[in-house]
Amino acid sequence: KQEVTQIPAALSVPEGENLVLNCSFTDSAIYNLQWFRQDPGKGLTSLLLIQSSQREQTSGRLNASLDKSSGRSTLYIAASQPGDSATYLCAAPNSGNTPLVFGKGTRLSVIA
Amino acid sequence: NAGVTQTPKFQVLKTGQSMTLQCAQDMNHEYMSWYRQDPGMGLRLIHYSVGAGITDQGEVPNGYNVSRSTTEDFPLRLLSAAPSQTSVYFCASSGSYGPLGETQYFGPGTRLLVL
Repeated sequence: KQEVTQIPAALSVPEGENLVLNCSFTDSAIYNLQWFRQDPGKGLTSLLLIQSSQREQTSGRLNASLDKSSGRSTLYIAASQPGDSATYLCAAPNSGNTPLVFGKGTRLSVIA
Repeated sequence: NAGVTQTPKFQVLKTGQSMTLQCAQDMNHEYMSWYRQDPGMGLRLIHYSVGAGITDQGEVPNGYNVSRSTTEDFPLRLLSAAPSQTSVYFCASSGSYGPLGETQYFGPGTRLLVL
């Protein structure tokens, strides 16, 4: 059974700083991994999807990497802004044709 | 294109009452799922479906029932509400799971309070 862990649970940084959020998973035979953003009281919004054949994906100031052999993924946010404040979740599927298993998220606060 | 919609946004129930949480998507996705989100527990899978007429249990299925009669709709039924079912419920849909996994799209959630 896939287990996904995110450390730290919360992070506070000053505006403009580059930062890295970490995600680890137990079953390295994953097909893909997704990063989501959740604003307070809202649903989840997909940020990046990395297929197992890829090592990274980029969208604007966001870059996600995937290292299957070590069971790790990172989300890099460049030049952070107060609008980036949210909870970031990573998720990977269980084996087979099944939905995602989520980490508990990292709550990010970017201070102006 | 409305994406994934959920109704109601908020509901208060008394213990023992039943209700149905509605979920609909207009993206012609075969794959739909229900999660609950609780403080400190993260998102946990309740039930999911890989197509009309096909459903399966997730991590926490007890006390919930689902059916999938159309591609668009995937309602979640609480048979006899309990305080432990107080939570935020999210519906999600995707074009695919597994090796061809695609982005999952989430609804805005339903906040349920069981007294």
